[in-house]
Amino acid sequence: KQEVTQIPAALSVPEGENLVLNCSFTDSAIYNLQWFRQDPGKGLTSLLLIQSSQREQTSGRLNASLDKSSGRSTLYIAASQPGDSATYLCAPRGESNSGYALNFGKGTSLLVTP
Amino acid sequence: EAGVTQFPSHSVIEKGQTVTLRCDPISGHDNLYWYRRVMGKEIKFLLHFVKESKQDESGMPNNRFLAERTGGTYSTLKVQPAELEDSGVYFCASSLHNRGFYNEQFFGPGTRLTVL
Repeated sequence: KQEVTQIPAALSVPEGENLVLNCSFTDSAIYNLQWFRQDPGKGLTSLLLIQSSQREQTSGRLNASLDKSSGRSTLYIAASQPGDSATYLCAPRGESNSGYALNFGKGTSLLVTP
Repeated sequence: EAGVTQFPSHSVIEKGQTVTLRCDPISGHDNLYWYRRVMGKEIKFLLHFVKESKQDESGMPNNRFLAERTGGTYSTLKVQPAELEDSGVYFCASSLHNRGFYNEQFFGPGTRLTVL
């Protein structure tokens, strides 16, 4: 059974800082991993999808890395802005079961202060 | 292009009643998924459709939950009878089928279910 842990659970930073969100998972047999953000009362917005064969993916100020063998992924946010405040969720898709289900961590709640 | 839509956005019912949630996936997405988050827990997978066929129901909590996807378009998730522990947010997601396990999943806004 895949267990996903996200550290830290909460983070508060001043605007402009670079920051790293961490995700670890217990079963390294994954197809890929998605990072999402969730704004309060809203759905999940997909930020990045990184395939198991890739080491990193970039989108704007976001960069996700994946070390499949060690069961770790990080989301790097450069030059943080107040609009980045949200909960960030990591979700690997494992090879177990049907292979389609995403497994979620509890998320990191980020607050970027002006 | 419209994203995944869900209806209603919020439902409040009493224990023992029936509720039906609806999900409209992104047009052309053959894969449709249901997930839910109960208070304080992670988002958990419930089930997966490819077109109208259920591929994986391993996350369905019990037989009070029934999901359908007639015609392979929209899907419904019925809870009958609802219990207090069913309260939570129910998310629907969809993805293309062309690359199997490697496609990105797109989520809807969720339906917040409150059972009193």
